[in-house]
Amino acid sequence: DIQLTQSPSSLSASVGDRVTISCRASQSISSYLNWYQQKPGKAPKLLIYAAANLQSGVPSRFSGSGSGTDFTLTINSLQPEDFATYYCQQSDTSPLTFGQGTRLEIK
Amino acid sequence: QLQLQESGPGLVKPSETLSLICTVSGGSVSSNNYLWAWIRQPPGKGLEWIGSMSYSGSTYYYNPSLKSRVTISVDTSRDRFSLKVSSVTAEDTAVYYCARLVVTVSLSSYYFDYWGPGTLVTVSS
Repeated sequence: DIQLTQSPSSLSASVGDRVTISCRASQSISSYLNWYQQKPGKAPKLLIYAAANLQSGVPSRFSGSGSGTDFTLTINSLQPEDFATYYCQQSDTSPLTFGQGTRLEIK
Repeated sequence: QLQLQESGPGLVKPSETLSLICTVSGGSVSSNNYLWAWIRQPPGKGLEWIGSMSYSGSTYYYNPSLKSRVTISVDTSRDRFSLKVSSVTAEDTAVYYCARLVVTVSLSSYYFDYWGPGTLVTVSS
């Protein structure tokens, strides 16, 4: 199975900050990497697909980049509603796998 | 707007079979561009993909970690799909989500774009 390792596991930031979350794959997955946001008690929400494509309706302050084994989710100008847990997910090889999550907290 | 909703027992006894249904509204399960998926999340932990199936049943993928115990099926007449997990143990306690898995020809990529709200299934005697 392809393992996805996210870093950091948690971080604290303030409203207005720019944050980056990293996702590293155990082998090359081309651009087959997606990002989700999950708030407590809710289902995950798709943010970015195929590494850099913004899902319809998602604010443009979210962006994704990377290919191969290293990927990044960037959130510019953090808003109060952005404090949540973020997961990466690969679709290069079955079984589909998720990273362990990055919890973004208010500083 | 597509909506998915999980339903089924919230409590299952050890060694029995967990059965859930996902009802799709605002759209149809009968499309070649999507697979229908189940994902689970143990309390306080991360996400685990269980498996996915096309509406025709001709395309399906299961997570090998669960494959011997899992059955997914699609009912096109009712626009719903189901999950069965046999011989459950406490380790199967989780929130179970159903989701739509998009298959993009242009990007050769798969991603979950619509999710149900999730249903907690507890395995306990």
